[in-house]
Amino acid sequence: GQQLNQSPQSMFIQEGEDVSMNCTSSSIFNTWLWYKQDPGEGPVLLIALYKAGELTSNGRLTAQFGITRKDSFLNISASIPSDVGIYFCAGQGGGSQGNLIFGKGTKLSVKP
Amino acid sequence: DGGITQSPKYLFRKEGQNVTLSCEQNLNHDAMYWYRQDPGQGLRLIYYSQIVNDFQKGDIAEGYSVSREKKESFPLTVTSAQKNPTAFYLCASSIDRRAGYTFGSGTRLTVV
Repeated sequence: GQQLNQSPQSMFIQEGEDVSMNCTSSSIFNTWLWYKQDPGEGPVLLIALYKAGELTSNGRLTAQFGITRKDSFLNISASIPSDVGIYFCAGQGGGSQGNLIFGKGTKLSVKP
Repeated sequence: DGGITQSPKYLFRKEGQNVTLSCEQNLNHDAMYWYRQDPGQGLRLIYYSQIVNDFQKGDIAEGYSVSREKKESFPLTVTSAQKNPTAFYLCASSIDRRAGYTFGSGTRLTVV
């Protein structure tokens, strides 16, 4: 089945630093989504991307839908302590089932 | 306010007992999903339902059962056949998979 490879698995950064993470797929997706999960809570949608090459921002967050449609990137600028959590990418291939496929997450820790 | 509610937040059960996790949504979403989350494993799909009175197995359905008698409700039963039931369980719903899923805040099940 379809799989997503999300990297890095974890990041330890200093407050104020920029962060980059990405997801790659073995097959093409029509939709890429990025979620953030705070400890002990459910994931919350940050950004949705629907078109190859699309670049979308949400405050300090910027995500891009790769032109090959097999990858996506999330950048966080000037990180702050409340950015800590797990970031998940998710793709939707539009196949017969069409359920979202999730990456395994990037755990972000921010040192004040 | 519309949302998706999981209860209880924490649940403790003795080994060999069945336990039912509640998931209710008032978003008028047709589709509902159950995921299991273990540290470092990401989100693994247990069951999903696209419409009332119909549901499908996900990737790790063994030892679990569900029902979908009402649009708003999608309870998950963790049976004694589930070998390793201790985990964080997330329920989600969607009206359009391309728009992403709305997640509940999760139930942490501990079996002792």
